[in-house]
Amino acid sequence: DTGVSQNPRHKITKRGQNVTFRCDPISEHNRLYWYRQTLGQGPEFLTYFQNEAQLEKSRLLSDRFSAERPKGSFSTLEIQRTEQGDSAMYLCASSLGLAGAPDTQYFGPGTRLTVL
Amino acid sequence: AQSVAQPEDQVNVAEGNPLTVKCTYSVSGNPYLFWYVQYPNRGLQFLLKYITGDNLVKGSYGFEAEFNKSQTSFHLKKPSALVSDSALYFCAVRDPPGGDYKLSFGAGTTVTVRA
Repeated sequence: DTGVSQNPRHKITKRGQNVTFRCDPISEHNRLYWYRQTLGQGPEFLTYFQNEAQLEKSRLLSDRFSAERPKGSFSTLEIQRTEQGDSAMYLCASSLGLAGAPDTQYFGPGTRLTVL
Repeated sequence: AQSVAQPEDQVNVAEGNPLTVKCTYSVSGNPYLFWYVQYPNRGLQFLLKYITGDNLVKGSYGFEAEFNKSQTSFHLKKPSALVSDSALYFCAVRDPPGGDYKLSFGAGTTVTVRA
């Protein structure tokens, strides 16, 4: 296992710009999750994929946010027209989900976004 | 909604002393509970989980956690803390319980172990 990887690790952008983050899950993990973590808080769920299907989206995921997992492997999270309130650590996690068996989510190192 | 609470923002202990990080939960049904640790500028590392069975769960790096249904608690423990255990610790619950997906996290507890 090479672990979950995320790129870039840091992103600084100006308000109004679009940004895209990439997550590569542990190979053969069929489930992939995105979370957002702000300073002093625990991670908050954003969205979840099983293979290529996006099955759940949080209310936190406004229409400026979009996530894809086109081939059921890597995933991208795009934020359009960034706002200063989008500044946070964006975490990706993956798991091997088997029917009837509780899975464990393994997290990547995160992408820290700063919107100026 | 399912939730967990970590009543202590910070825990300070001396190296070699026992370490306890507290977590209480509020769920309907049987909870699936997790502990993660986060080092500075790093992602979360899985420590252990409780699904069912033994109330004492053993995990990575010498950590264990005790599930207490009557007190709705899932405290993380380590008999002898190391300076390298200094980090941010998160308790989490599967939401909904038994569901396939999201974790709901507590706000975190910063642990400082002094030499």
